[in-house]
Amino acid sequence: DGGITQSPKYLFRKEGQNVTLSCEQNLNHDAMYWYRQDPGQGLRLIYYSQIVNDFQKGDIAEGYSVSREKKESFPLTVTSAQKNPTAFYLCASSIADRTSGEQYFGPGTRLTVT
Amino acid sequence: AQTVTQSQPEMSVQEAETVTLSCTYDTSESDYYLFWYKQPPSRQMILVIRQEAYKQQNATENRFSVNFQKAAKSFSLKISDSQLGDAAMYFCAYGKTSYDKVIFGPGTSLSVIP
Repeated sequence: DGGITQSPKYLFRKEGQNVTLSCEQNLNHDAMYWYRQDPGQGLRLIYYSQIVNDFQKGDIAEGYSVSREKKESFPLTVTSAQKNPTAFYLCASSIADRTSGEQYFGPGTRLTVT
Repeated sequence: AQTVTQSQPEMSVQEAETVTLSCTYDTSESDYYLFWYKQPPSRQMILVIRQEAYKQQNATENRFSVNFQKAAKSFSLKISDSQLGDAAMYFCAYGKTSYDKVIFGPGTSLSVIP
């Protein structure tokens, strides 16, 4: 089955540690995205990538880093510089053409930093 | 810059009744997509319906339909014959006809009363 996987579902870290969230897709999509969702709020874009080896900052990129070495993978690192890292993180992908615009989402990772 | 507004943080509907969720957006583009996504308690984002701005006909998907008013920049979602499984957060979203980023509204929490 084609889709997007995010692992782990729940992640716990101590303050001051970097942590990497995994996102893999087998939909052959060119574009991938990372969003952050806080309680009672919408989705805020952290980073997005339209092609391998290239990515752009979203609205809240500070304290985060990404890489796009393979089309299928777009890992997100939450660094110790991120002041409030506890949140729900969603990864998404989309076809890079003009016919859709629709994004497909993974199941998300709940990160708790104490 | 494009923005998406959902003025109803919470809504409720009796089972089997009809409810309409509101969304307005701001853009200077003439060609774009609008979406309604559903996020149930599982937190998996699911596309409910999509509307292409160049199409005058309102999109429908079974019990879900939209009222797209391009001049007014309004994009409401009507859910008919509401079911308990419709209880979720609903996000209105805007995207250009490319693999550029999608802008999400803050969401409306819908409760369905048995």
